[in-house]
Amino acid sequence: DAGITQSPRHKVTETGTPVTLRCHQTENHRYMYWYRQDPGHGLRLIHYSYGVKDTDKGEVSDGYSVSRSKTEDFLLTLESATSSQTSVYFCAISFGTSGSLPTTNEQFFGPGTRLTVL
Amino acid sequence: GESVGLHLPTLSVQEGDNSIINCAYSNSASDYFIWYKQESGKGPQFIIDIRSNMDKRQGQRVTVLLNKTVKHLSLQIAATQPGDSAVYFCAENKEDSSYKLIFGSGTRLLVRP
Repeated sequence: DAGITQSPRHKVTETGTPVTLRCHQTENHRYMYWYRQDPGHGLRLIHYSYGVKDTDKGEVSDGYSVSRSKTEDFLLTLESATSSQTSVYFCAISFGTSGSLPTTNEQFFGPGTRLTVL
Repeated sequence: GESVGLHLPTLSVQEGDNSIINCAYSNSASDYFIWYKQESGKGPQFIIDIRSNMDKRQGQRVTVLLNKTVKHLSLQIAATQPGDSAVYFCAENKEDSSYKLIFGSGTRLLVRP
């Protein structure tokens, strides 16, 4: 599992509330990603990070923000949760230590967080 | 726009038979492709990858074929087992330094005993 954990694993919240999901990795990898997965869809990239304080938008970034204040943690925040953000959220990493390009293109995924917005 | 897709949403095979899962991609500039397996309640798991300078790559019971002429990718699973039942995704690499992946919508493989 490439040392990736996600928390919480399940969350139910109400529309309009802020929500923060955490991805934690233990192996000093530079690249981290947040995806969402919805029925009938593959994974869609929300945001990604290529180093501490270095982040960029993916294809479905509206309504989400991210932060990476240290290598091991990548946080995804739903500033004001909506029902359309009910989904399963996956964090991923690419191998490669800080300061280097990924050693491979492979991405390794965490176990996911199931978020329900009522 | 650029996308990665799959021909068949569900594939049912008899245990012991070979399985073939197909994927079409539209970005001729993509140079890297991955197949992932996702079991229920889990994150995607890497199966095999291939670069655009190759036509075929084999792993343990799996083979990936790449046809750049028609922009088609396939995953072949030999002697399919019940443990192969899962959703399979192909993904293509978007060429930039971030190594972003674009995923297809997935094919569910059901293995009949």
